[in-house]
Amino acid sequence: KQEVTQIPAALSVPEGENLVLNCSFTDSAIYNLQWFRQDPGKGLTSLLLIQSSQREQTSGRLNASLDKSSGRSTLYIAASQPGDSATYLCAVRLTNSGYALNFGKGTSLLVTP
Amino acid sequence: NAGVTQTPKFRILKIGQSMTLQCAQDMNHNYMYWYRQDPGMGLKLIYYSVGAGITDKGEVPNGYNVSRSTTEDFPLRLELAAPSQTSVYFCASSYAAGVQGKTQYFGPGTRLLVL
Repeated sequence: KQEVTQIPAALSVPEGENLVLNCSFTDSAIYNLQWFRQDPGKGLTSLLLIQSSQREQTSGRLNASLDKSSGRSTLYIAASQPGDSATYLCAVRLTNSGYALNFGKGTSLLVTP
Repeated sequence: NAGVTQTPKFRILKIGQSMTLQCAQDMNHNYMYWYRQDPGMGLKLIYYSVGAGITDKGEVPNGYNVSRSTTEDFPLRLELAAPSQTSVYFCASSYAAGVQGKTQYFGPGTRLLVL
């Protein structure tokens, strides 16, 4: 069974810092990996989707990398802002699990002014 | 586009009651999904559908039923509510082209409390 782990569970940083969120998964037979943002009481917003054949994706201040062989992905946030405060979820789609996404428990990020 | 909409936003049920959580999308997506999120946990897939008339179980389907009579709507039915079904329910949709799939778009969620 695929296990998706996110470290750290919570993170507090001052505004302007660059930071890295980590995601690890136990089964490397994945189609893709997706990073989501979840604001309190809200739904999920997709940030970046990395296909299994790709190594990284970038969107603005966000950069996500994927290393399938080691079962790891990182989400890099440059020049963090208070508006980045949210929970960040990592999810993988396995090649043999139909259409299910396997989610980690998330990293709760607080960026202080 | 409204995207993925869910109703109600919040509901309190008594044990044994039934209810239907509504989900609709206006993006003409083939695929739709229902997830539940328990406090401090990741989302778990309840049911999904790859098109009108086709549904399949996810990881945690017990106690739930779904139907997909149209492309736009994917309601989730709880027949006999139990306290273990207290959770936040998210509906999502995607347009999956090929085996690798596409981004899933999520609704705002329905918070359900069973007492």
